[in-house]
Amino acid sequence: GAGVSQTPSNKVTEKGKYVELRCDPISGHTALYWYRQSLGQGPEFLIYFQGTGAADDSGLPNDRFFAVRPEGSVSTLKIQRTERGDSAVYLCASSPQGQSTQYFGPGTRLTVL
Amino acid sequence: AQSVTQLGSHVSVSEGALVLLRCNYSSSVPPYLFWYVQYPNQGLQLLLKYTSAATLVKGINGFEAEFKKSETSFHLTKPSAHMSDAAEYFCAVSVPPMNYGGSQGNLIFGKGTKLSVKP
Repeated sequence: GAGVSQTPSNKVTEKGKYVELRCDPISGHTALYWYRQSLGQGPEFLIYFQGTGAADDSGLPNDRFFAVRPEGSVSTLKIQRTERGDSAVYLCASSPQGQSTQYFGPGTRLTVL
Repeated sequence: AQSVTQLGSHVSVSEGALVLLRCNYSSSVPPYLFWYVQYPNQGLQLLLKYTSAATLVKGINGFEAEFKKSETSFHLTKPSAHMSDAAEYFCAVSVPPMNYGGSQGNLIFGKGTKLSVKP
């Protein structure tokens, strides 16, 4: 079946601009996660959704970052007033209800010039 | 708080040799532990996971890991390396969130170990 998909695969933007990154989880998966992976580092947790609600947003670095999942499926990560330090690969993962395994998408590489 | 330490950012082995990638964790509650592999320009793929059942866990592609509580370790091994094993490997720990129950906590990753396999 189809895995987790993320669009776009690459995004180049200018400092100060607004960007949206999209994640389509595996159909039927109730949990959805966003991570950020900087060069040479492991992924860092940003936010976790259980259904439509954010169960844990403690990883969001500041109020420029926001994520939604209005219908409990697709999620959008929104970054306002982008900074060069936001450049990274943004990963999305999903998992079925009650299971610990997270299935990752290929990521969106964000470059802020 | 939970944390993961992977010893060695780069490991190089010869084809056919033993692969040993080290992972130590810190957790105040019984953890779930995972190994993921990331091939160049691809997403993370689960190799294996420990969720409080058998301490020796077998995964895909001939990899296995042993949970040792006394050593707070979860090292990844493979008896004989193959060229196709060259990739970056990440160890991760999770602790379920209390309010939702189930096993759906976020993952905390180590910095990764890049495995090179020489012919």
